[in-house]
Amino acid sequence: DAGVIQSPRHEVTEMGQEVTLRCKPISGHDYLFWYRQTMMRGLELLIYFNNNVPIDDSGMPEDRFSAKMPNASFSTLKIQPSEPRDSAVYFCASSLSASNEKLFFGSGTQLSVL
Amino acid sequence: SQQGEEDPQALSIQEGENATMNCSYKTSINNLQWYRQNSGRGLVHLILIRSNEREKHSGRLRVTLDTSKKSSSLLITASRAADTASYFCATEYTGRRALTFGSGTRLQVQP
Repeated sequence: DAGVIQSPRHEVTEMGQEVTLRCKPISGHDYLFWYRQTMMRGLELLIYFNNNVPIDDSGMPEDRFSAKMPNASFSTLKIQPSEPRDSAVYFCASSLSASNEKLFFGSGTQLSVL
Repeated sequence: SQQGEEDPQALSIQEGENATMNCSYKTSINNLQWYRQNSGRGLVHLILIRSNEREKHSGRLRVTLDTSKKSSSLLITASRAADTASYFCATEYTGRRALTFGSGTRLQVQP
C-alpha cells in the first residue's frame, strides 16, 4: 500500500482565492482525520470522519473551512476564501478501526496564502 | 487547546546517550501514543500504551504511563544521529476517538 496520499504537496495562493486540499486514505481504513500544524498552535484537529460520515468538526476554524468525504477513498478540505492566517501544513491521517487507534499520516500540504 | 504538554521543548545529546521526553495531559484517557516527525515530513507512529498499562517496550523505545499523575515518558536508549526529529505525545481521551497532540520535543543527536 502506498500509504496516505495528499495533494498538492505545496500550494501558494493569494488571499481571497479558493483552496482545495485532497487526501486518499489507506484502503480499508474506517477513520480519516484532518490536522493543521503551525509553529504557534502546534497540531490541531480540524475534523474527522468515520465510514465517510463527519463525526466531529468542532476544530474547523470558521465557516470558510469545509470538508467532505464522498467515498471511502477520497476526502477534500476546502478553504474559501483563503486568508494569510490559514498558512500552515495540513495533514490528513487515517486509521483502521475503532479498536486500532494508530494513525497513519500523509506527507502534508504546505499552504502559503499571500 | 492542546491536551498534552511536553518537556523539554528541545533536547541535544551525543550519540550513544539516552534521551528522555516527558508528556503531561489533563483528563482521563483511553490511550497515549508517541509519534515522530522528521523535518518536512508527516508523523510516524512509534508506540501506543493503554490506560491500564504502566510500561511498554519497542526496540530501543521505552514508554511509561502514570495515570495518577497524568504523565508519560518516552525513553530512547543508545541514541543515534538518525533519531534526530521532533517527538510528539498524543492522547485519545475518554469519549473522543480523535487524538490530541502535545507541543513536541525537538531532539538533536550529535554524531
